[in-house]
Amino acid sequence: ETGVTQSPTHLIKTRGQQVTLRCSSQSGHNTVSWYQQALGQGPQFIFQYYREEENGRGNFPPRFSGLQFPNYSSELNVNALELDDSALYLCASSPNVQGAVYGYTFGSGTRLTVV
Amino acid sequence: GQSLEQPSEVTAVEGAIVQINCTYQTSGFYGLSWYQQHDGGAPTFLSYNALDGLEETGRFSSFLSRSDSYGYLLLQELQMKDSASYFCAVNRGNNRLAFGKGNQVVVIP
Repeated sequence: ETGVTQSPTHLIKTRGQQVTLRCSSQSGHNTVSWYQQALGQGPQFIFQYYREEENGRGNFPPRFSGLQFPNYSSELNVNALELDDSALYLCASSPNVQGAVYGYTFGSGTRLTVV
Repeated sequence: GQSLEQPSEVTAVEGAIVQINCTYQTSGFYGLSWYQQHDGGAPTFLSYNALDGLEETGRFSSFLSRSDSYGYLLLQELQMKDSASYFCAVNRGNNRLAFGKGNQVVVIP
């Protein structure tokens, strides 16, 4: 059991650029959720992927998009970066869509800084 | 709509007991989770309460009162490694968690 792995750990981008963040879910987990955590705040739900389909989305604009692959790994893409996108991006996996009940396994996140 | 209220910070000595409160206001409620997050680390699942009452897991216990829209996390026999941020999160039944702002616990010798 390797847990959730995210890459890269840190990233600096310029306003207007695009970024792709990657997540490998824990072995046996088919559901991946992405959260954005601003400094000093709790994580905010971006979206969830289950069996390669988006399965719920939070209040984030369309420039936030994602993918899930057949091996259940996932990507988060953010276009037209804004300064307010600077945050810790967390990936969380669960063995099914009931992660909210049985607990998510989170990765350590990608710290994105937009300058 | 929804809101989760958590006090911001508490300092306590090793061996003490700390209670972290969480009040919520939400249009849908299925349960309340608690997560621990060390600085720069991954949030770690601690507990989930779907029904009223107390759930005990080792040194940590979590309580829920649905009628009061209130829950708390009780940390007993505090250890230095318990220094972290603690978040309550509402399960609104739509495959997502709504987290509060968190409460930082600082344990001193």
